[in-house]
Amino acid sequence: DIQMTQSPSSLSASVGDRVTMTCRASQSIGTSLNWYQQVPGKAPKLLIYAASSLQSGVPSRFSGGGSGTDFTLTISSLQPEDLATYYCQQSYNTPPFTFGPGTKVDIK
Amino acid sequence: QGHLVQSGAEVKKPGASVEVSCKASGYTFTSYGISWVRQAPGHGLEWMGWISPYNGNTHYVEKFRGRVTMTTEKSTGTAYMELRSLTSDDTAIYYCAQFSTKSLAFDYWGQGTLVTVSS
Repeated sequence: DIQMTQSPSSLSASVGDRVTMTCRASQSIGTSLNWYQQVPGKAPKLLIYAASSLQSGVPSRFSGGGSGTDFTLTISSLQPEDLATYYCQQSYNTPPFTFGPGTKVDIK
Repeated sequence: QGHLVQSGAEVKKPGASVEVSCKASGYTFTSYGISWVRQAPGHGLEWMGWISPYNGNTHYVEKFRGRVTMTTEKSTGTAYMELRSLTSDDTAIYYCAQFSTKSLAFDYWGQGTLVTVSS
């Protein structure tokens, strides 16, 4: 099975900061990588699919990149409502479609 | 525009079984797979398995095989997840999520169902 890791496990940044987090797969997954945002107490929400495609309705300050084994999620200008945990998830080939352990974003 | 509504919270004793339902609306139920994902308190997301409402094919994560059954009812557009032989480690929020063949991602999620296992 493909294993996913994320770094950092948590970060704290100020409103307006540019924030970048990374996700790594244990083997090449092409661009079959998705990012989800989970606000405390809520269900996860799809932000980015296929590594860099923005889901409809998601603010353009979110962007994704990468391919193969290394991926990034960037928030260009952090907003108070971005306080959440961000999970990557691979959907390469066949199940299981594993999630990373998450990056928790706090606002300073 | 998909919409998934799950059944309410459950409290179960160790050794018991639980069934969580997930009713879909706003799209053709048989066109997209349904996955079940759980989240233990203070922990991350754990993908449990997947079912195709079209043909009933399933895939379960190794750790749940023999203890979980995922089914669907086409007539009502509802997916079900049964987990047996519950222990305290199964205390978690259980989510259903629609897997889009367009995005290859979980586009829509249910609101979650809290299952508490306690003696």
